[in-house]
Amino acid sequence: AQSVTQPDIHITVSEGASLELRCNYSYGATPYLFWYVQSPGQGLQLLLKYFSGDTLVQGIKGFEAEFKRSQSSFNLRKPSVHWSDAAEYFCAVGETSYDKVIFGPGTSLSVIP
Amino acid sequence: KAGVTQTPRYLIKTRGQQVTLSCSPISGHRSVSWYQQTPGQGLQFLFEYFSETQRNKGNFPGRFSGRQFSNSRSEMNVSTLELGDSALYLCASSPGTGANSPLHFGNGTRLTVT
Repeated sequence: AQSVTQPDIHITVSEGASLELRCNYSYGATPYLFWYVQSPGQGLQLLLKYFSGDTLVQGIKGFEAEFKRSQSSFNLRKPSVHWSDAAEYFCAVGETSYDKVIFGPGTSLSVIP
Repeated sequence: KAGVTQTPRYLIKTRGQQVTLSCSPISGHRSVSWYQQTPGQGLQFLFEYFSETQRNKGNFPGRFSGRQFSNSRSEMNVSTLELGDSALYLCASSPGTGANSPLHFGNGTRLTVT
């Protein structure tokens, strides 16, 4: 069955520190991959997406993600975290252009001043 | 360009009642998807509509239904409400249908069933 896992339920980092959020998926082929962010009381905002091509993709707010086919992973990174990055982060995957998008369970990020 | 608008923002209903939630997509977007978000289950896909046709459906009981109008606005209906239906219901629109068309989310409708 298709699945998306985010191994870390909650992560705490200090402001200015680097960040890596993990995402693994189980799909038959190269899927469409997304990272979304949700601030409290808000909907989800798209940070970045990967469809094909360069495996390192850049997104908004200084985020980037790397697709690693051999590891079935699509980890999100940011070199220096800001207090405003505290939010819930969701990895999402879709298999084909006709498929629905499935979301991982989310990782809650706290930022210590 | 205005974003996805969901109304109402908050709803309180009693078990057994029914509820209708509304979603207005971004102008030009023809696809609308609905998700249920709960602390225990996360984001669960309900259904997707494109050009007034249901394209995909999640694993929810028949009490959950939806429709899309010719102007792409969408409604979802939940009949015979149960306590477990308490959740944040998120609507998302996209220009096209399917996984390769990124979703643009509204701020959701918070439904509380008592």
